[in-house]
Amino acid sequence: NAGVTQTPKFQVLKTGQSMTLQCAQDMNHNSMYWYRQDPGMGLRLIYYSASEGTTDKGEVPNGYNVSRLNKREFSLRLESAAPSQTSVYFCASSEVTGGGYTFGSGTRLTVV
Amino acid sequence: AQSVSQHNHHVILSEAASLELGCNYSYGGTVNLFWYVQYPGQHLQLLLKYFSGDPLVKGIKGFEAEFIKSKFSFNLRKPSVQWSDTAEYFCAVKGPYNTDKLIFGTGTRLQVFP
Repeated sequence: NAGVTQTPKFQVLKTGQSMTLQCAQDMNHNSMYWYRQDPGMGLRLIYYSASEGTTDKGEVPNGYNVSRLNKREFSLRLESAAPSQTSVYFCASSEVTGGGYTFGSGTRLTVV
Repeated sequence: AQSVSQHNHHVILSEAASLELGCNYSYGGTVNLFWYVQYPGQHLQLLLKYFSGDPLVKGIKGFEAEFIKSKFSFNLRKPSVQWSDTAEYFCAVKGPYNTDKLIFGTGTRLQVFP
């Protein structure tokens, strides 16, 4: 089925460990996004990529890096995880012309 | 910076009650507006969207929203809620400068009791 695929679904990290969250879409969308969702704070944009080869910071980029590997894939890396990064992470994609996002199923990350 | 406000953080209703969730945005220019729903344990799904034209927008599952430009509002409504509508609802506005970035409100948790 067409859509946005995120891996892993769950992850527990120790403080200081690194990891990469993977995201891939098969809808030929140009734009991709990484959000984090925290209780009472809604969704906050971490990074986005308007097209292959470009990335830009969002509202809360500190502690994260991203790579737009190709048009399909957009990964999020935590170089040195901190407890404040415990959250649910959502990847999304959209067409340049708008129409809303298609979201992945999320990654629940816990940093202890 | 553009922002979105959802005034109701937690709404509790009985089945068959009517629903209205508030959403206000700050940007004064042309806007695209969205409502998303997140059922427990799931990802966000698009309920409805407004780009232009008729300010009364109908979405899936009997939801509708009305764009009132003079009030900078895009409230979500449903005449009669069901237990299955229990979820979190997010209003979002498309950012300025012709980007596709969506700015989300903090969400409203709706609980519907039988």
